[in-house]
Amino acid sequence: DAKTTQPNSMESNEEEPVHLPCNHSTISGTDYIHWYRQLPSQGPEYVIHGLTSNVNNRMASLAIAEDRKSSTLILHRATLRDAAVYYCILNPLNTGNQFYFGTGTSLTVIP
Amino acid sequence: NAGVTQTPKFQVLKTGQSMTLQCAQDMNHNSMYWYRQDPGMGLRLIYYSASEGTTDKGEVPNGYNVSRLNKREFSLRLESAAPSQTSVYFCATRSTDTQYFGPGTRLTVL
Repeated sequence: DAKTTQPNSMESNEEEPVHLPCNHSTISGTDYIHWYRQLPSQGPEYVIHGLTSNVNNRMASLAIAEDRKSSTLILHRATLRDAAVYYCILNPLNTGNQFYFGTGTSLTVIP
Repeated sequence: NAGVTQTPKFQVLKTGQSMTLQCAQDMNHNSMYWYRQDPGMGLRLIYYSASEGTTDKGEVPNGYNVSRLNKREFSLRLESAAPSQTSVYFCATRSTDTQYFGPGTRLTVL
């Protein structure tokens, strides 16, 4: 099972950018990198995903290292509603049937 | 358009009792999933169904059975509940590359 390593917790000031790191040194060439987040007492929600190139959407940006052994989720301006647990997940072949969530990074946003 | 719905929201069982957790989706997705989340942990896959009529084991299937009743509904059954099955259970569906999760069922087994 492809594994990811994330810091247990991070803090950010409101309206500041946040960079959430993820290490995945055993990633294979067909593993897609997915990010989900889980707000308190809710199910996870999709944030962003990519394979090799950096990706942007309305929620965040995903920066993938050239060797693909690490990636960074970037929230451009943190808001209080961004306080959640963020999961970095490797999904082989983007099949969706092998989603290993790990323990994630708990993000606290300070007003 | 409700997305993914789960019933019940909360349930307390005694050891040895049985129950079925219900999940329904109105997103017309083929793939559906059941996960459990223990305190302070990430989600672990119990079972999944790639399409109507098919089911497969995930990472932690022991003690559970599933039924894919039709395209909309995917149920999870605990035949003889144990305290180790105390957890929050999430159902999910999948489009091309995104999973959509329900609000969860919080189950306590005494």
